Amino acid sequence: EADIYQTPRYLVIGTGKKITLECSQTMGHDKMYWYQQDPGMELHLIHYSYGVNSTEKGDLSSESTVSRIRTEHFPLTLESARPSHTSQYLCASSELGRGADTQYFGPGTRLTVL
Amino acid sequence: AQTVTQSQPEMSVQEAETVTLSCTYDTSESNYYLFWYKQPPSRQMILVIRQEAYKQQNATENRFSVNFQKAAKSFSLKISDSQLGDTAMYFCAFMLTSGTYKYIFGTGTRLKVLA
Repeated sequence: EADIYQTPRYLVIGTGKKITLECSQTMGHDKMYWYQQDPGMELHLIHYSYGVNSTEKGDLSSESTVSRIRTEHFPLTLESARPSHTSQYLCASSELGRGADTQYFGPGTRLTVL
Repeated sequence: AQTVTQSQPEMSVQEAETVTLSCTYDTSESNYYLFWYKQPPSRQMILVIRQEAYKQQNATENRFSVNFQKAAKSFSLKISDSQLGDTAMYFCAFMLTSGTYKYIFGTGTRLKVLA
């Protein structure tokens, strides 16, 4: 399996709390992505990054924010969690340039907001 | 805009049999990649197979092969000698070779291999 890690794997939290989902990769990839996936459903891109200090919003509107201060780290933050944020969040990475087509996925964080 | 359609929400196959998962896509571009990803229950999504659109030869990876029909915009996945470990969600995905490197995913096909 690919060297991309997400923590926590599972999180149950109350409405209004601030949360940060962590994603790290040890492959030196420039591109990183966050997807939201409801159980058994398709993936929706919510954020991506081309490299350090680069972040872009994805196709699905999201109230979350991301940062990319280090190549290997791409955390996602929700300032005030709501039940509508309940979902699985997948992080992925890929190389920029040769091999940029293949994305490697983390194990996901399953978030439940009560 | 590009779209990816997987018309089979669920499929089942007997162990050791062959199954084909369908995927169609829509694009006006000529240079792109196509992928099949596998997401086993509670496990990480992994790449099964990829195809560059400029290559006419269908990609193969052991028991997995694709039938890539560029004119028809079709990209089906064939799994031969199905194994219990093939039970998973399978996602078809598309990516342009230039621009943002964003994937467009299909809605997935849940495949169950029966003993």
